[in-house]
Amino acid sequence: GQQLNQSPQSMFIQEGEDVSMNCTSSSIFNTWLWYKQDPGEGPVLLIALYKAGELTSNGRLTAQFGITRKDSFLNISASIPSDVGIYFCAGPRGGSGGSNYKLTFGKGTLLTVNP
Amino acid sequence: DTGVSQNPRHKITKRGQNVTFRCDPISEHNRLYWYRQTLGQGPEFLTYFQNEAQLEKSRLLSDRFSAERPKGSFSTLEIQRTEQGDSAMYLCASSLPVGEQYFGPGTRLTVT
Repeated sequence: GQQLNQSPQSMFIQEGEDVSMNCTSSSIFNTWLWYKQDPGEGPVLLIALYKAGELTSNGRLTAQFGITRKDSFLNISASIPSDVGIYFCAGPRGGSGGSNYKLTFGKGTLLTVNP
Repeated sequence: DTGVSQNPRHKITKRGQNVTFRCDPISEHNRLYWYRQTLGQGPEFLTYFQNEAQLEKSRLLSDRFSAERPKGSFSTLEIQRTEQGDSAMYLCASSLPVGEQYFGPGTRLTVT
């Protein structure tokens, strides 16, 4: 099946630093989603991207939809301790009748922020 | 509206027992999804409902698993004769027909 490859697998940074992570696929996606998951909780949607080349911000978070439609990037500026968590990229694939609803997720990037 | 809710949040059961989880989606969302997440992995799709109709099931969903959404509102996921390999976080999500999926907090299942 389709796989999303996220890198890095983990990051350990100091509070205030900027962070970059990315997600690549061998297949084209028409939508890229970025979720954050805290321990013991469900994923929370951060940013949704719908168009190749699109750059979208949500507070200190900025994500880009790659031109090839096979990758996406997430940047976090001026990190704070509550940014700690696992960041997942995801994209909808497949489905009967042409509708895309099955989300495929990467394995996540674990972010640790040292105060 | 408070988002997607799931109950229970944690369940510990002995191998061979049956368990049932409940998901209450966001009220205006007619699509409901179940995913399973194991340690170190992203969520994996299990099944999907549009209103009360179950439209697709993943091959991950063995015949010991059954999901229902009888009135097109809440959904239940039942696992019969649980096995240790069923230990995972079971996540529910909901969406509008055109829109992104919003996840609940999950049910953590531990099979001993």
